[in-house]
Amino acid sequence: EIVLTQSPGTLSLSPGERATLSCRASQSVSSSYLAWYQQKPGQAPRLLIYGASSRATGIPDRFSGSGSGTDFTLTISRLEPEDFAVYYCQQYGSSFGPGTKVDIK
Amino acid sequence: QVQLVQSGAEVKKPGSSVKVSCKASGGTFSSYAISWVRQAPGQGLEWMGRIIPILGIANYAQKFQGRVTITADKSTSTAYMELSSLRSEDTAVYYCARQYSSSWSLGYWGQGTLVTVSS
Repeated sequence: EIVLTQSPGTLSLSPGERATLSCRASQSVSSSYLAWYQQKPGQAPRLLIYGASSRATGIPDRFSGSGSGTDFTLTISRLEPEDFAVYYCQQYGSSFGPGTKVDIK
Repeated sequence: QVQLVQSGAEVKKPGSSVKVSCKASGGTFSSYAISWVRQAPGQGLEWMGRIIPILGIANYAQKFQGRVTITADKSTSTAYMELSSLRSEDTAVYYCARQYSSSWSLGYWGQGTLVTVSS
């Protein structure tokens, strides 16, 4: 079973700053099967990135995904106030990482 | 557009079972996998399993094998998740989510169903 780890656990940044979130897999994951989600309190998760680097419909281009093999990255180029949330990676539409909380510094 | 509407909140006794429904509208129900994901209070997301309705085949996370059953009714475009032998640790919000296009990612989510297990 593939285990995903995410780092850091919490990222404290200011609006306008760049956020870099990491997702590492215990064994190689096909890029086609790596996704990123955003979740705000009291809401269902929202798909941001699928196939490691493709943005889902309606997702702003400040969100980008990259990586391959066991190391993947979600980058938010300039944080907007609505981007402060928890972010999860997922592999093969199944297991999730533990999440990274992006909060306001 | 695709919408998933789940059944309402449930309160259950330890040892009992719960069955949560997820009705889909928009899009083609049968061809896309429906997953179930749960989230305990203050915790992360936990994938439980999924079904591809047109195949009628479900697969489950190892943790839930033997305790969860996921089914789908193509005639009503509704998926179901039944969890048995409930314990307090099963208290969580349960979400259904549909596959996004041809990827395995989850692009459409239900509103969530709170299941509380308490004596």
